[in-house]
Amino acid sequence: SQTIHQWPATLVQPVGSPLSLECTVEGTSNPNLYWYRQAAGRGLQLLFYSVGIGQISSEVPQNLSASRPQDRQFILSSKKLLLSDSGFYLCAWGGSSYEQYFGPGTRLTVT
Amino acid sequence: QKEVEQNSGPLSVPEGAIASLNCTYSDRGSQSFFWYRQYSGKSPELIMFIYSNGDKEDGRFTAQLNKASQYVSLLIRDSQPSDSATYLCAVNMGDYKLSFGAGTTVTVRA
Repeated sequence: SQTIHQWPATLVQPVGSPLSLECTVEGTSNPNLYWYRQAAGRGLQLLFYSVGIGQISSEVPQNLSASRPQDRQFILSSKKLLLSDSGFYLCAWGGSSYEQYFGPGTRLTVT
Repeated sequence: QKEVEQNSGPLSVPEGAIASLNCTYSDRGSQSFFWYRQYSGKSPELIMFIYSNGDKEDGRFTAQLNKASQYVSLLIRDSQPSDSATYLCAVNMGDYKLSFGAGTTVTVRA
């Protein structure tokens, strides 16, 4: 069966500091991978998605970037965090019927 | 116009009753529709998906799709306190992407 991991689970970072969030998937090959952000009390905002190694599509212009160095690894980064980057960051992988399965998420607070 | 709209809620139902959640979408070409449940502080969990007009049942959950009216709904029968959560409607927008509604919060009163 497929499993998706995200770490860290929670993170408190000062404004202007860098960010690196990691997501890995087990039990499937060449999955579509997604990064979402959910602000408090808000819906899901798609940030990036990837259909293969090195292939990244950006949905929202911002100070975040994503990379996919390996087939089942997806990384979300920032060089300098803003207060507005606070939120719940979710990684997901895509199934064969366009459904998506989410990881446990990383709760980021920028202070 | 938002791509996917849901009743904002909150929706409060007594235990054992039917909870009815509604979702409308703007893209007439959408083909796949999904319902997720999200407990407070947790990530969304896929409940069920539907592709064809009509009803699809899975346990106490029934999804209903009407493509002509661009409407999809979720019924929760015999609601339990453990069903208290936010329910997200998602629509496949092509290119492997999903567009999510803002969610409807359901509270089941014991």
